[in-house]
Amino acid sequence: QVQLQESGPGLVKPSETLSLTCTVSTDSMSGFYWGWVRQSPDKRLEWIAYMYSSGYTNYNPSLKSRLTLELDTSKSQLSLSLTSVTAADTAVYFCARFLAAKGFDYWGQGTLVTVSS
Amino acid sequence: EIVLTQSPGTLSLSPGEGASLSCRAGQRGAGNSLAWYQQKPGQAPRLLIYAATNRATGIPDRFSGSGSGTDFTLTISRVEPGDVAVYYCHQYGSTPLTFGGGTKLEIK
Repeated sequence: QVQLQESGPGLVKPSETLSLTCTVSTDSMSGFYWGWVRQSPDKRLEWIAYMYSSGYTNYNPSLKSRLTLELDTSKSQLSLSLTSVTAADTAVYFCARFLAAKGFDYWGQGTLVTVSS
Repeated sequence: EIVLTQSPGTLSLSPGEGASLSCRAGQRGAGNSLAWYQQKPGQAPRLLIYAATNRATGIPDRFSGSGSGTDFTLTISRVEPGDVAVYYCHQYGSTPLTFGGGTKLEIK
């Protein structure tokens, strides 16, 4: 069983950087893709990015210029940084495991991030 | 970008009735890389169906997926009170990955 847990500040000021960490309970993160999905207050889901254990990364073009993903397999952690945030970045952020043949099969519980001054 | 349109927006059924949820892709390109998720209030989405027709581990056979190309359907036979949720389709065959807007299932 794979378990994922997101952590990070719940409140970020406009124009600042949103930073989140996902800690994964698994024998190994190697050989899998790990990614982020967010859900806006109107409940729409938006794919953010995913990263393979080798370092290959695929970003949503709409966010790519502001995004950085990092993977630390020794700590079993995936991190996300989103710069220059606005109110439109307010959402619940989920980390999840991505399988090319199945989609997202394991999800964290999600963490709410509000962008407000 | 492949836009996914789900219908109906809300489905209200009595226990024991069957549910048919539609997901239409705006263009081909995802192949059959189409998944369905169930999201209950306050929870993360749960994978129900992948590759259009395959049930994920532990999913009851009341849930089934069908379709190909641009038209896909999630069928729930004999709905139960525990099926109250929002159901999302998701294409993962073409980047950017995209999700439908969801269908809310209510039980009368």
